[in-house]
Amino acid sequence: AQTVTQSQPEMSVQEAETVTLSCTYDTSESDYYLFWYKQPPSRQMILVIRQEAYKQQNATENRFSVNFQKAAKSFSLKISDSQLGDAAMYFCAYRTTNSGGSNYKLTFGKGTLLTVNP
Amino acid sequence: NAGVTQTPKFRILKIGQSMTLQCAQDMNHNYMYWYRQDPGMGLKLIYYSVGAGITDKGEVPNGYNVSRSTTEDFPLRLELAAPSQTSVYFCASNWASGGETQYFGPGTRLLVL
Repeated sequence: AQTVTQSQPEMSVQEAETVTLSCTYDTSESDYYLFWYKQPPSRQMILVIRQEAYKQQNATENRFSVNFQKAAKSFSLKISDSQLGDAAMYFCAYRTTNSGGSNYKLTFGKGTLLTVNP
Repeated sequence: NAGVTQTPKFRILKIGQSMTLQCAQDMNHNYMYWYRQDPGMGLKLIYYSVGAGITDKGEVPNGYNVSRSTTEDFPLRLELAAPSQTSVYFCASNWASGGETQYFGPGTRLLVL
């Protein structure tokens, strides 16, 4: 079974600075998807960014980018020019590309709570 | 387009009571899911559905039941509430064709006392 590990329960960053959140995963599959979700105090789960394992190029969405190291099974999230609104719990998640059944479920890490200091 | 909606937002139950958490989506997604999120943890899959009339168990199905009579609705039933079911419940959906992203509802916070 796949597992996702986020080793940093909490992180903090100064406004306008850059922060990197770590995520490692364990899988025997060669193709899969990886996601970062943001959960603000409202508890809404919001997709931040996603990466397809067969793509070597790291995904980027505005101030958010990932460092995907497939051999190391590492998928870190970099937030540039941090803003107060970035404060939230961030979850790393894994999904197989195998179709059907519960294969489409997401396997989540335990999350990293990000605080942004003004 | 409301996306995924859930009701209620918050509920307190007594041990042994029953309730249904409602979930609806208006995106014509075929896959729908129920997850629970315990304090300090990621989300775990309770049940999922691949289409109307088809449901199956996830990782933590004990104490829950689901049904899916329409594409839009996927209610989660708690028959005999227990303190261990105190959690935040999320419904999600996606159109299953490869890497489709799951869209989440706002969650239902349930407290069983």
